[in-house]
Amino acid sequence: DAGVIQSPRHEVTEMGQEVTLRCKPISGHDYLFWYRQTMMRGLELLIYFNNNVPIDDSGMPEDRFSAKMPNASFSTLKIQPSEPRDSAVYFCASNSPTGTGVTGELFFGEGSRLTVL
Amino acid sequence: AQSVTQLDSHVSVSEGTPVLLRCNYSSSYSPSLFWYVQHPNKGLQLLLKYTSAATLVKGINGFEAEFKKSETSFHLTKPSAHMSDAAEYFCVVSDLMTTDSWGKFQFGAGTQVVVTP
Repeated sequence: DAGVIQSPRHEVTEMGQEVTLRCKPISGHDYLFWYRQTMMRGLELLIYFNNNVPIDDSGMPEDRFSAKMPNASFSTLKIQPSEPRDSAVYFCASNSPTGTGVTGELFFGEGSRLTVL
Repeated sequence: AQSVTQLDSHVSVSEGTPVLLRCNYSSSYSPSLFWYVQHPNKGLQLLLKYTSAATLVKGINGFEAEFKKSETSFHLTKPSAHMSDAAEYFCVVSDLMTTDSWGKFQFGAGTQVVVTP
C-alpha cells in the first residue's frame, strides 16, 4: 500500500485566498483524522471521520475551516478565507480498529505545509 | 479523561550512548500507548505500541519501551544512539475498550533528540 497520501506538500498563498488540502487514506481504513502542527501549539486534532461521517469537529478553529469526506478514499480540508495564523503543517492520518475495542495505531501522511502571507 | 506528559522537551546524547525518553500518562481505562518519531519535514512514524499484551515492547530501529502501570509510565529507551535517531519523539495515549474514547489520541508535547558525534 502507498500509505496515506496528502497533497499539496507545500502551499504558499496570500491572506484571504481559499486553500484546499487533500488526503487519500489507506485502503480499508475506516477512520480518518486531520491534525494541525505548529511550534506554539504542537499537534492539534481538528476533526475525525468514521465511515465518511464526521464524528468530532470540536477542534476546528472556526467557521473558516471545513472538512468533507465524500467517499472512503478521499477527504478535503478547506480554509476560506485563509489568514497568516493558519500557517502550519496539516497532517492527515487514518486507522482501523484491530479488533473489537482495540485501538489501532495512526498512519500519517507526509503533511501539507501551508504558508499564508 | 486521558493525558500524557513527556518529561523532557529536549534530550542531547552522544552517539553510541543510551537514550531515555520519559513519558507519563493518565487514563481512565486500559490504555493503548504509542511512541512515534518525526524526522524533519516528515510525517509521524510509529516506533512501537502497547495494547495490553507484553509490558516490554520492542519496536523498530532498536527502540523499546516498558509499560509500568504502577508508575503510569511508558519510557522509551535505546541502548546505543545513532546519528539517524536525531528527531522529535511523541508519546501518545488512547483509551482501550471504550467507544466513547475512540478517536481520541492524546499526544505529548514531544521530545527533541539531538545526537552529537
